[in-house]
Amino acid sequence: ELKVEQNPLFLSMQEGKNYTIYCNYSTTSDRLYWYRQDPGKSLESLFVLLSNGAVKQEGRLMASLDTKARLSTLHITAAVHDLSATYFCAVDMRDDKIIFGKGTRLHILP
Amino acid sequence: AAGVIQSPRHLIKEKRETATLKCYPIPRHDTVYWYQQGPGQDPQFLISFYEKMQSDKGSIPDRFSAQQFSDYHSELNMSSLELGDSALYFCASSLGRGPYEQYFGPGTRLTVT
Repeated sequence: ELKVEQNPLFLSMQEGKNYTIYCNYSTTSDRLYWYRQDPGKSLESLFVLLSNGAVKQEGRLMASLDTKARLSTLHITAAVHDLSATYFCAVDMRDDKIIFGKGTRLHILP
Repeated sequence: AAGVIQSPRHLIKEKRETATLKCYPIPRHDTVYWYQQGPGQDPQFLISFYEKMQSDKGSIPDRFSAQQFSDYHSELNMSSLELGDSALYFCASSLGRGPYEQYFGPGTRLTVT
């Protein structure tokens, strides 16, 4: 059974700092997603990573995928308060379901 | 661009009542997925449909049933509601089943009192 582990689960950081969220998964998958969720809201797709070595960047967020290590990272550069949210990684099971990590609750202090 | 539509957006029911949630996929999308997200939890896969047939099943209680109709919209029927069913219910759709990106709707917040 596929397991997706994120860490840290909670992160409080100062504006302007850099940090990385890690996502490990237990079985082979060709597709990994990062989502952002604000409280009570839907899941906003941030990145879709399709292949080993994939790197995508959008603003202050950069995601990468190492399929051999079964590891994805979401790097935050010079954090700003607007990035406060919960971030989920999710792994495609190659059938229908997506398995989500527990989420990282990010709180950025002004 | 058109997105996934879910209705209602909010629903309050009492214990032992029934509820029906509706999902309208993005036009031309033929695959629908349902997820349940409890408070402070990650989304959990419930069930999916491809071309009006159930294609996969996750942790969906026996009290719940779902179907996909000829116009590809889907309904999640929930009976004998329990307090623990209070959650955000997301529908997602994709063009084809398997490793195709799923697009999530805004969710239906169900509160059982």
